Amino acid sequence: NAGVTQTPKFRILKIGQSMTLQCTQDMNHNYMYWYRQDPGMGLKLIYYSVGAGITDKGEVPNGYNVSRSTTEDFPLRLELAAPSQTSVYFCATGAGGKGYTFGSGTRLTVV
Amino acid sequence: KQEVTQIPAALSVPEGENLVLNCSFTDSAIYNLQWFRQDPGKGLTSLLLIQSSQREQTSGRLNASLDKSSGRSTLYIAASQPGDSATYLCAPSKAAGNKLTFGGGTRVLVKP
Repeated sequence: NAGVTQTPKFRILKIGQSMTLQCTQDMNHNYMYWYRQDPGMGLKLIYYSVGAGITDKGEVPNGYNVSRSTTEDFPLRLELAAPSQTSVYFCATGAGGKGYTFGSGTRLTVV
Repeated sequence: KQEVTQIPAALSVPEGENLVLNCSFTDSAIYNLQWFRQDPGKGLTSLLLIQSSQREQTSGRLNASLDKSSGRSTLYIAASQPGDSATYLCAPSKAAGNKLTFGGGTRVLVKP
């Protein structure tokens, strides 16, 4: 049982480039989330989804987009990458009151 | 808006000592609270989930208490080991499946 899988694990982008961070879960959870973690800081919510076809902004959505066409997948799109988007990105899933499961993260550097 | 504070920000103890990690939150109307462990350069591992109706939750050497009315949770780690060295994060949730709000974490170093 893989849980939550994130790809890629590492990526270096040049300023202005775009990319998609992939997140796939096999836990059949309705709720999915994208967080970013800057060095030495806690996690901040970027976007979240309560089910297929439904997404909403979190605390720091600017510069990002998401889609949720299936229960399993919740990709995060970065358009026009900026140095301020250098961070570690975590995808997570939740199911009711049973807690949350996190992926292993994507470490992104924008140069 | 929920705000979460974790004190202390860093902690260094000799092996065998008990650890006490504090978490406070401003909005006491929570559904549950989860404690996570994060090793350097790694993802988050769930340690304990405590529901708002519970006063405490235990798993092995770990015990988490919750005082919802005062907006506090405490994670106790008994007889610390060097392998307990990591950052510990607490995160309350306002409703089932609702987004988590994270504290800044407590970085723990257990010296052999």
